[in-house]
Amino acid sequence: AQTVTQSQPEMSVQEAETVTLSCTYDTSESDYYLFWYKQPPSRQMILVIRQEAYKQQNATENRFSVNFQKAAKSFSLKISDSQLGDAAMYFCAYRSAMGRRALTFGSGTRLQVQP
Amino acid sequence: GAGVSQTPSNKVTEKGKYVELRCDPISGHTALYWYRQSLGQGPEFLIYFQGTGAADDSGLPNDRFFAVRPEGSVSTLKIQRTERGDSAVYLCASSSILLRTTLMGRTSGTANEQFFGPGTRLTVL
Repeated sequence: AQTVTQSQPEMSVQEAETVTLSCTYDTSESDYYLFWYKQPPSRQMILVIRQEAYKQQNATENRFSVNFQKAAKSFSLKISDSQLGDAAMYFCAYRSAMGRRALTFGSGTRLQVQP
Repeated sequence: GAGVSQTPSNKVTEKGKYVELRCDPISGHTALYWYRQSLGQGPEFLIYFQGTGAADDSGLPNDRFFAVRPEGSVSTLKIQRTERGDSAVYLCASSSILLRTTLMGRTSGTANEQFFGPGTRLTVL
């Protein structure tokens, strides 16, 4: 079974600064997808960024980028130029490419953005 | 509708009662997922529908939990004889399914985004 671990329950960053959220995972599969989701107090999960394991290039979406280290099974999220609206829970998630379609989530990191 | 909707937004019930939680997926999405999110945790998978059938129900915790999707659109999660431990936010998500051919020549589903609803917060007293 796959597991996803987020070892930082809470993180804080100053507005306009950069912060990195950590995620590690365990799997025996070679083909899979990794995601970062944002969950604001409204509870609605919003996809921030995704990475396909067979792609070596790290995904980037505007101020959000990932550092995908397949051998180390590490998938960190970097938020540049942090904004007050970035404050939320962030969840790392794994999905198999060939098997189970359900997402496996980590326990989340609460990000606070200080003005 | 524009997104995934879930009703009710909040549900308070007494231990031992029966509850139904409803999910309206995005129109045209054939895949529908139910997750349960306990306080301070990430969502945990419950069940996945592809069309009308439950393709994977391995996450249902016990036989008190049941879900249906009779017409391949709206889904209802049903919980019998509720217990205090069932208190959580129940999230529904939907996605479309496209196929991709991997570098090895196999076909698999793409990482189509799962669009989540706002959830139903269930409180069992």
